[in-house]
Amino acid sequence: QVQLQESGPGLVKPSGTLSLTCAVSGGSISSSNWWSWVRQPPGKGLEWIGEIYHSGSTNYNPSLKSRVTISVDKSKNQFSLKLSSVTAADTAVYYCARAVNWFDPWGQGTLVTVSS
Amino acid sequence: QSVLTQPPSVSGAPGQRVTISCTGSSSNIGAGYDVHWYQQLPGTAPKLLIYGNSNRPSGVPDRFSGSKSGTSASLAITGLQAEDEADYYCQSYDSSLSAHVVFGGGTKLTVL
Repeated sequence: QVQLQESGPGLVKPSGTLSLTCAVSGGSISSSNWWSWVRQPPGKGLEWIGEIYHSGSTNYNPSLKSRVTISVDKSKNQFSLKLSSVTAADTAVYYCARAVNWFDPWGQGTLVTVSS
Repeated sequence: QSVLTQPPSVSGAPGQRVTISCTGSSSNIGAGYDVHWYQQLPGTAPKLLIYGNSNRPSGVPDRFSGSKSGTSASLAITGLQAEDEADYYCQSYDSSLSAHVVFGGGTKLTVL
């Protein structure tokens, strides 16, 4: 059974770059799935950030596209998120998830706070 | 403002039936894209509840059901239980200039 686990710094300074990794276990990241990032600001709803296929193909939310990079490391069975020029508005719980049209499973999520 | 519109809150007494609507447009639900539903219990990650408009993953009780018609979809919960109190989100795809993947704003279900 596939499981996902996010990791990365919980605090990022304004104007800095947020970097997170999602480790995939119980299955191969090279399977026929897309791998996604979704975030949830405190007390608010879900926002799709983007997705990557094991080939490296990506799709991004247009509202974040200029600041987002998602990459994949097949040798480590993981994929990563970089979000640049962060502000307080980027404070959120960041989830990684497997995408099959729907999202399942999800990682437990990691809170990233943008503050000096 | 979310591309998919959900009521902010719904409530019901134990044993009752409640429905949560998810209204889209001709560029998402109305274009034929499937709708999926998630349940998010307090302090936890979202969990897939319904996929492909009306299909339940293994382990999801048959008290939960989904439907889709035109530019809208609905989640119905029958025999309401205290443990159903959670936030519920619908999700689909959009072919316009908006996000490739779109979520509803979420609905807080309160069991009275």
